[in-house]
Amino acid sequence: DSGVTQTPKHLITATGQRVTLRCSPRSGDLSVYWYQQSLDQGLQFLIQYYNGEERAKGNILERFSAQQFPDLHSELNLSSLELGDSALYFCASSRDPLNTEAFFGQGTRLTVV
Amino acid sequence: QKEVEQDPGPLSVPEGAIVSLNCTYSNSAFQYFMWYRQYSRKGPELLMYTYSSGNKEDGRFTAQVDKSSKYISLFIRDSQPSDSATYLCAARDNYGQNLVFGPGTRLSVLP
Repeated sequence: DSGVTQTPKHLITATGQRVTLRCSPRSGDLSVYWYQQSLDQGLQFLIQYYNGEERAKGNILERFSAQQFPDLHSELNLSSLELGDSALYFCASSRDPLNTEAFFGQGTRLTVV
Repeated sequence: QKEVEQDPGPLSVPEGAIVSLNCTYSNSAFQYFMWYRQYSRKGPELLMYTYSSGNKEDGRFTAQVDKSSKYISLFIRDSQPSDSATYLCAARDNYGQNLVFGPGTRLSVLP
């Protein structure tokens, strides 16, 4: 158990809908990262937050947004969902902002039908 | 060209074999190199990380980085069926927070 908790584990939704994925980092970790993993694209970095502020942005679509709350948990919001958004979404956390030792959660499997 | 490349496998070896997993990368600014293990339907688990060139050993695992050839290796000694998983290499530079992952190599260790 990495100590990073993601909910829900599975999500099935229709195209055009909006969903929210939640992540609780390991105790004491200030950095939260979101990744998308699909069969054809591998593990792709989406966005990072450090102590409540956005720190780095990767290949995140405009339909996607995230935030980190004062208690350090983070949410990833996916809207206007398309079939191609079906993937595993992982959250990771680390103590430092430089992602040297990042610990991943178990992921949320999103299926868009 | 992707920044980090890996042979996707699958790679099948008998139990007890020495396994060699390799990655190449193109960004010469990369300084930190990581290996993650991912079991099916689970999150990636950090195995080891190294800074710059050199070797690092942890039990049955040895990570090697050769920056001159932009080559990263992970060796697994006395491989076990429980080592069957996908192995992902990752890299980043000194300043970036973004870890760039390879596509992963699927390893099967047969009893």
